[in-house]
Amino acid sequence: AQTIHQWPVAEIKAVGSPLSLGCTIKGKSSPNLYWYWQATGGTLQQLFYSITVGQVESVVQLNLSASRPKDDQFILSTEKLLLSHSGFYLCAWSLWGGAGQNTLYFGAGTRLSVL
Amino acid sequence: QQQVRQSSQSLTVWEGETAILNCSYENSAFDYFPWYQQFPGEGPALLIAIRSVSDKKEDGRFTIFFNKREKNLSLHIKDSQPGDSATYFCAASVTQVVGQLTFGRGTRLQVYA
Repeated sequence: AQTIHQWPVAEIKAVGSPLSLGCTIKGKSSPNLYWYWQATGGTLQQLFYSITVGQVESVVQLNLSASRPKDDQFILSTEKLLLSHSGFYLCAWSLWGGAGQNTLYFGAGTRLSVL
Repeated sequence: QQQVRQSSQSLTVWEGETAILNCSYENSAFDYFPWYQQFPGEGPALLIAIRSVSDKKEDGRFTIFFNKREKNLSLHIKDSQPGDSATYFCAASVTQVVGQLTFGRGTRLQVYA
């Protein structure tokens, strides 16, 4: 069975500090990987997606970056946090290619508070 | 421009009633429509999905009705339970295009006992 693990569960950070959030998928080889951001009570905004190691596509510019250093790992980071970065960050995976590639399975999320 | 629109931000029903959540979309190329259920503090979970070749998809108490001509769909939750209280997101994508799943703003459903 596939499992998706996000870390940390929650973070409280200061404005201007760096950030690194991680996501690992086990039990599925070569998945598509995604980062989404959700404001409190808000919709899900796609940030990045990756279909293979080393390749990441940006969907919106929010002073964030993403990397996929391994097939099963997706990292979201920034060198300088803004207040507007606060929210719920969700990692997701889908099958590579075909009819299943837009069926996303989400992790439990990381709650980020920027003060 | 909002490509996927959910008409109600919130909906309240009594236990045992049928909850109806509505969704419409702009892009006629969309051909895959999943609904996600999200409880507070958790990630969204896939609930049920339909492809545009069908007009109805049923899974237990959950049914999607799809109208391609009108570009709208609805999620019916039969015999609603307090445990169904959650936020429901309608989403849409073009099957052949990766990384393009677009979400609506969500409908918060409250089921009272």
